[in-house]
Formats: sequence, structure tokens, C-alpha cells
Amino acid sequence: EPEVTQTPSHQVTQMGQEVILRCVPISNHLYFYWYRQILGQKVEFLVSFYNNEISEKSEIFDDQFSVERPDGSNFTLKIRSTKLEDSAMYFCASSVAGTRQETQYFGPGTRLLVL
Amino acid sequence: GNSVTQMEGPVTLSEEAFLTINCTYTATGYPSLFWYVQYPGEGLQLLLKATKADDKGSNKGFEATYRKETTSFHLEKGSVQVSDSAVYFCALSERNQGGKLIFGQGTELSVKP
Repeated sequence: EPEVTQTPSHQVTQMGQEVILRCVPISNHLYFYWYRQILGQKVEFLVSFYNNEISEKSEIFDDQFSVERPDGSNFTLKIRSTKLEDSAMYFCASSVAGTRQETQYFGPGTRLLVL
Repeated sequence: GNSVTQMEGPVTLSEEAFLTINCTYTATGYPSLFWYVQYPGEGLQLLLKATKADDKGSNKGFEATYRKETTSFHLEKGSVQVSDSAVYFCALSERNQGGKLIFGQGTELSVKP
């Protein structure tokens, strides 16, 4: 069964450093998403992406964050200058369509620790 | 704004006990409702969903009915197993065109043999 994959599974970085989290969505999916989960808190939406453009973004997704689909398979989240509060589990998801009924399929997550 | 509220955890049950995890929502339109499950060390997996009022989603013995009048989507299972131990998330999606999922805080379930 096709699945969303994410790399790396864990990343430790120093405050102020740039990180790039990578995702490979399911191949025939058209909508891509990033969510994050700070330890002990809710899963929070960051951004959705379709047709090489951001469809929607949350207040969390400020100028320090960017997303890109550099080729036909990868979908990346970049954090330009990490802060301590960026420490979280980051989940990538994808869906065939962007309708409200559509199931979003999640990857296993990247645990980011900012020191 | 739209929101989802779940019952507090952790919930600890014995094997074969009946499970209910309460979920209520606030939404301005007509959302779709989802239950996702997160097993230890894994990502979120869709457990079931319902896309309109009075729909019942079901999977692996779990059920939830979309109740518009009470704005609820409670998760139930008649007889839980140790393998059901996980964190369960209720979520809604309202907007088309790449709309986000809004999650509840998650409820941790622990089933003892």
C-alpha cells in the first residue's frame, strides 16, 4: 500500500540554524500539507500546498517557514532560523483532492529538537 | 473559530471492556469529521470518517456517528483489545481546496490484559 515517507526521522539542530524536512507524498496525490505537534499538545496545521502554490497557511507559518516541491516527488519544509519553540514532531500529509471529505494520509513524522 | 474538544485522557481499560471517547466540535458550516489513531512510534492513521449528518463511520470494530444536533462524533468500541492501546484524535475539515484538519487534543487509551 502506498504511503507517505519522511526524512530524517530525528533531527537535532542548534538554535539559529536552518533545517529542511523532507517528505515524499503518495504519488498520485495533488494536495500536500505540513502539521506539527509540540510535545503534549494538539496537532496543529501549518500549511497546505497545491499546484506549486500555498493554498492556506496558519499564523504559525511565518516568514521563517517555507515550502517547496523541488521535483516531481519531494515536498520540503524549510525553517530558516530555528528557535527553541520550533522543537516538535512535524508531520507531512497528502491527499488526492482538497475537498473537505478527502482523507489526508500522514507520514511517520520528523522529530525536531532545537538546542 | 472552528474547534474540536475531546475527553481528557489517559483512559485505562481492561481487555474486552466497552470504550467511549467523547468528541464535540464547533464549526460554522458543514464539516467532515474524522478519527485518527497514533500507535506508539508511528504517524497518524485514519481510523474512520463521516462526511454528513447521521453518517456512521466504522472500521476495525470502532464506530462513530455524526450527530449534528449535538455537534458530536463520539468514538465507541464494544470490546477493546490490548492492541488498541494508542492515542486517538478527533478532527474536522470544513473548507474545500486544500482545507486543513483541525484536531482535538488527543486521548490516550491504555488497555490492560
